[in-house]
Amino acid sequence: QKEVEQNSGPLSVPEGAIASLNCTYSDRGSQSFFWYRQYSGKSPELIMSIYSNGDKEDGRFTAQLNKASQYVSLLIRDSQPSDSATYLCAVKRSNDYKLSFGAGTTVTVRA
Amino acid sequence: GAVVSQHPSRVICKSGTSVKIECRSLDFQATTMFWYRQFPKQSLMLMATSNEGSKATYEQGVEKDKFLINHASLTLSTLTVTSAHPEDSSFYICSARQGVKNIQYFGAGTRLSVL
Repeated sequence: QKEVEQNSGPLSVPEGAIASLNCTYSDRGSQSFFWYRQYSGKSPELIMSIYSNGDKEDGRFTAQLNKASQYVSLLIRDSQPSDSATYLCAVKRSNDYKLSFGAGTTVTVRA
Repeated sequence: GAVVSQHPSRVICKSGTSVKIECRSLDFQATTMFWYRQFPKQSLMLMATSNEGSKATYEQGVEKDKFLINHASLTLSTLTVTSAHPEDSSFYICSARQGVKNIQYFGAGTRLSVL
């Protein structure tokens, strides 16, 4: 079982729609969760961090965490062409500072 | 967010030469930095954890004598690829861990091409 799994995509959404990205993790003791955006040829950029169960909103982005289900999601509202990128789910391991990354979900927003 | 600077952004070198990549945290102190490698269309692969004032810890399968890491200060870690070969060509990315929230901020990456 992979440590972090994401819906593989690619995900294509029309401009203005909601993009929904999902992630599950295997380390039940994990407490810190992150979403990074990576444009083609660039390095990852942090867009959200979440530590408690529930929703966390930041602009057009909403992260949702359910530790009991070991599930993290990211919603992108009012998707824009500039949101077209690969989104990486990252989970801090419970026993050290390392992050486990999912394979990423590539999102394409159609104008 | 915090700023992590990584240089150079691109290196082209001949086989057998060594290449040094620098990673600096510009507005915070980082006791822990990380070095990743990423091949095209693949996710990040952690190579090593760089700890200020102590030896780096390497992931399984990463040759520590080939990828030399030095973390001499709280704001600087360097990765030296020694005797580079074409198979070392890749995108190398560093990150620095900030504070109790354990957020990792990434440098812009270094694209290494070994001829």
